[in-house]
Amino acid sequence: SYELTQPPSVSVSPGQTASISCSGDKLGDKYACWYQQKAGQSPVLVIYQNNKRPSGIPERFSGSNSGNTATLTISGTQAMDEADYYCQAWDSTTASAVFGGGTQLTVL
Amino acid sequence: EVQLVDSGGGLVQPGGSLRLSCAASGFTFSTYSMNWVRQAPGKGLEWVSYISSGSSSIYYADSVKGRFTISRDDAKSSLYLQMNSLRAEDTAVYYCARAPVKGYYFDYWGQGTLVTVSS
Repeated sequence: SYELTQPPSVSVSPGQTASISCSGDKLGDKYACWYQQKAGQSPVLVIYQNNKRPSGIPERFSGSNSGNTATLTISGTQAMDEADYYCQAWDSTTASAVFGGGTQLTVL
Repeated sequence: EVQLVDSGGGLVQPGGSLRLSCAASGFTFSTYSMNWVRQAPGKGLEWVSYISSGSSSIYYADSVKGRFTISRDDAKSSLYLQMNSLRAEDTAVYYCARAPVKGYYFDYWGQGTLVTVSS
């Protein structure tokens, strides 16, 4: 089955740039998306189709996807960005959605 | 405003059954694909099932195939998940999630409903 791998945790200082990676076999051939989940809340879509932002998502969130790695970048990270982040792709071979294991972003 | 309200969770014994519901509003439910995604306590997200508009395509995760059944009632703008032969490892918060017309991702999520499988 298809797998996506994320680092368990990433730390960043306020105002700096945070990068969270998501790796999978030929992930660049698929669309990747990213969700933010704050403690006790439902996930929120922050990036879809590799690099598109839904309405209401701040411009500091951006995404890229090439080769085997998709990356979520948060520029000028704020304390409110502290959350778990999950990447996700659709595996057409098995007709299933696949999530990465999640990355806990700490802003300190 | 798009709203998805999940309900039907609770405590059930191993081997038991439960039916989850998701009431949708604020969009034309019949034209969208819908999904169930779950999250075990302290763990990550796990996709469970997908149903297309018109119910022409239905998919399941291997972990629930043969035990869970997804369905929809477009007249009631509602999504369902019938869960049978429940196991302890099915304990999780279950979210319904909308997929956009052209995409296999989830643009709106319900608030989740907790299912606990325990004796």
